[in-house]
Amino acid sequence: EDQVTQSPEALRLQEGESSSLNCSYTVSGLRGLFWYRQDPGKGPEFLFTLYSAGEEKEKERLKATLTKKESFLHITAPKPEDSATYLCAVQTTGNQFYFGTGTSLTVIP
Amino acid sequence: ETGVTQTPRHLVMGMTNKKSLKCEQHLGHNAMYWYKQSAKKPLELMFVYSLEERVENNSVPSRFSPECPNSSHLFLHLHTLQPEDSALYLCASSQDRSGFAETQYFGPGTRLLVL
Repeated sequence: EDQVTQSPEALRLQEGESSSLNCSYTVSGLRGLFWYRQDPGKGPEFLFTLYSAGEEKEKERLKATLTKKESFLHITAPKPEDSATYLCAVQTTGNQFYFGTGTSLTVIP
Repeated sequence: ETGVTQTPRHLVMGMTNKKSLKCEQHLGHNAMYWYKQSAKKPLELMFVYSLEERVENNSVPSRFSPECPNSSHLFLHLHTLQPEDSALYLCASSQDRSGFAETQYFGPGTRLLVL
């Protein structure tokens, strides 16, 4: 069964304390993996698309990596404005989309 | 306007009302989606339109009726809803390129409350 699992469900960090969010996936065939940021009451904001194992992408304090079973979103020296829910999604080769339940990140000043 | 817009942003309706949600994308994409987002649950894909044709309907109750008059506009018509239909309804668009991953861009959502 195709599925996406994100962990942890919630994460509290001190400002400047680096950490990683995990997205594990089980799909019959991967076309792409997506990371989004979602602020309360708003729609998801696109961050990254990863296409194949070994690929990495960076944007400011965020770096996304991909293996054959999981993806990590590394947050380096986070700031309070990085507080949000981070969503992971996959598109299968059968053109199905599956989302995880998200990781709620709180960065404390 | 840029990106994906949705109106209204908030909607309160009774179970006997009829209302419609509107989505417009300004990205030149050819695929549009409706999602339902409930607390603590993954986004649920409701409908997919590609080149203005419905390509997916994930067993959504008939009280939800989509309409895609052209590649830039998408509607979700609501009728006789239940309280459990209260949620954030998100519209998204992407460029459907056969064989390639399609990054979806989301609108701000419509927060729906059914009384």
